[in-house]
Amino acid sequence: NAGVMQNPRHLVRRRGQEARLRCSPMKGHSHVYWYRQLPEEGLKFMVYLQKENIIDESGMPKERFSAEFPKEGPSILRIQQVVRGDSAAYFCASSRREDYEQYFGPGTRLTVT
Amino acid sequence: DAKTTQPPSMDCAEGRAANLPCNHSTISGNEYVYWYRQIHSQGPQYIIHGLKNNETNEMASLIITEDRKSSTLILPHATLRDTAVYYCIVSPGEDGGFKTIFGAGTRLFVKA
Repeated sequence: NAGVMQNPRHLVRRRGQEARLRCSPMKGHSHVYWYRQLPEEGLKFMVYLQKENIIDESGMPKERFSAEFPKEGPSILRIQQVVRGDSAAYFCASSRREDYEQYFGPGTRLTVT
Repeated sequence: DAKTTQPPSMDCAEGRAANLPCNHSTISGNEYVYWYRQIHSQGPQYIIHGLKNNETNEMASLIITEDRKSSTLILPHATLRDTAVYYCIVSPGEDGGFKTIFGAGTRLFVKA
């Protein structure tokens, strides 16, 4: 059973470009979570999604950031007009409906130049 | 804000038990205690969770006090590969679990 997949693993964008981060949950998992981790800091919750629904986006910046988890395909975290402060590791996690242990992907390291 | 308090760092000798404490004095009746760890810059790894009974799995044991205000994660025979940041998290139960708040965690150093 493959784990949580994230791609790309490393992404370099120039200021003002768009970044798209993808997350494929574990098989059988319908809940997806996104976290951001700045260098030498802890994980910060961003958004929690179920298939086609955003359940909690209280950790998402109000502008430029959006997330989706369509009926088919991976979850996408989209950052428009990236700035240097967006440079961070972005982790995705998934869980089953019945319990809440989360399984994390390897992360996408975004560097904004 | 995190609902848990953990020491920032701890040392442990290789082969000895590592006991990592966590305070969660404001925990409510339906909230679970979860432990994760993050090795270097990898994605966090689930370790164990519990509600009020002590739990054990192949990785660790979780001891929860009777009043549920604190808990201890026990790695029975720590190895160098257990060096990581350990996060204790309080997560809502089946009636509303979503937003997971990670605090600063405990940085465990296992020394040879």
